[in-house]
Amino acid sequence: KQEVTQIPAALSVPEGENLVLNCSFTDSAIYNLQWFRQDPGKGLTSLLLIQSSQREQTSGRLNASLDKSSGRSTLYIAASQPGDSATYLCAVTYPYGWGNSGNTPLVFGKGTRLSVIA
Amino acid sequence: DGGITQSPKYLFRKEGQNVTLSCEQNLNHDAMYWYRQDPGQGLRLIYYSQIVNDFQKGDIAEGYSVSREKKESFPLTVTSAQKNPTAFYLCASSTNTWETQYFGPGTRLLVL
Repeated sequence: KQEVTQIPAALSVPEGENLVLNCSFTDSAIYNLQWFRQDPGKGLTSLLLIQSSQREQTSGRLNASLDKSSGRSTLYIAASQPGDSATYLCAVTYPYGWGNSGNTPLVFGKGTRLSVIA
Repeated sequence: DGGITQSPKYLFRKEGQNVTLSCEQNLNHDAMYWYRQDPGQGLRLIYYSQIVNDFQKGDIAEGYSVSREKKESFPLTVTSAQKNPTAFYLCASSTNTWETQYFGPGTRLLVL
């Protein structure tokens, strides 16, 4: 069964620090990988989507990289701000399984809870 | 404004009662999904629908039912057979099953 692991589970950093969140997945045959942000008690907001053929995607202070062969992705946040405090979730999509019993093509990690201290 | 809405924000269920959670989208998306989120766990897929009048079970469909009579609506019913329904329920939609999913604000279900 495919699994997505996010390390660390929680992270606390001072404002202004650059930081890296990690995501690993057991089955490297992914279609794409997404990073989401979730604020407490809210839904998810998509931050970045990386196709399997891409190495990285950037949006503002966020940069996500993908190393498909090693089953890893990182989310880099530059110059962190208190407003970045949230849970960050990684999810991978597989190009198979829809309609097949037992396969879920979008698999989520449990997230990393980030606190940026002013 | 285009988006995906869920109602109610909070829902209370009595023992043996069926309750229905609403999910509506005006993004013209074909695919819609229901997830359950428990503290300390990732999202788990309950049901998904790739097109109107069609839906498939996800990882944890037991005790739940859905319908997809309209493209913009995908209601979830939590039946009395679901013995541990307390959770945060998230609805999502996407153009197709390979593209970015857009999430609603969620419904928190509590048992009285």
